[in-house]
Amino acid sequence: AQKITQTQPGMFVQEKEAVTLDCTYDTSDQSYGLFWYKQPSSGEMIFLIYQGSYDEQNATEGRYSLNFQKARKSANLVISASQLGDSAMYFCAMRSSGTYKYIFGTGTRLKVLA
Amino acid sequence: SAVISQKPSRDICQRGTSLTIQCQVDSQVTMMFWYRQQPGQSLTLIATANQGSEATYESGFVIDKFPISRPNLTFSTLTVSNMSPEDSSIYLCSVVGEEETQYFGPGTRLLVL
Repeated sequence: AQKITQTQPGMFVQEKEAVTLDCTYDTSDQSYGLFWYKQPSSGEMIFLIYQGSYDEQNATEGRYSLNFQKARKSANLVISASQLGDSAMYFCAMRSSGTYKYIFGTGTRLKVLA
Repeated sequence: SAVISQKPSRDICQRGTSLTIQCQVDSQVTMMFWYRQQPGQSLTLIATANQGSEATYESGFVIDKFPISRPNLTFSTLTVSNMSPEDSSIYLCSVVGEEETQYFGPGTRLLVL
């Protein structure tokens, strides 16, 4: 069965520091996609970054990077130079090949401290 | 990415009533999804809505409780019927964009009293 695990229910980081949010996944598929979303208190889901299972390089989008370790089945999100506006819930999600359905993790609540 | 809007953004309803949530996309899309996010929980897929066919519901969700319409490629509605306090959630629609990434609407916050 496919599964996404986020083991950190809550994290604190000092403003301007980097933070890593953990995500591990379980799948027997060879082709899949991994995604990170940010959900501020307003409730919207904001797409941050995508990593394909066959991508050899880690994905980066501005201050966001995805530390993809395929053998360990982990897809950790790294946020560099944290800002107060980064305070939000962060969800890791996976999509398997042949389907558009996502499986979401339970989320990590990040609080950036001034 | 597509621009997605939802109406209403929030509502407070009495138990036993129904609420219809609208999702509008600024471009034509084949697949739309409806999710529920109960308080403090992750997202759960309710159904997949394709234009011209019946919605496909996930386990635990039924058409009588969550009827969905998809009259064209830019619009869909989700109705939450005969509501109870357990239906208090954020309801989100999403569409598939580039690299098969899902993009979400701003969500509808529903509180049932």
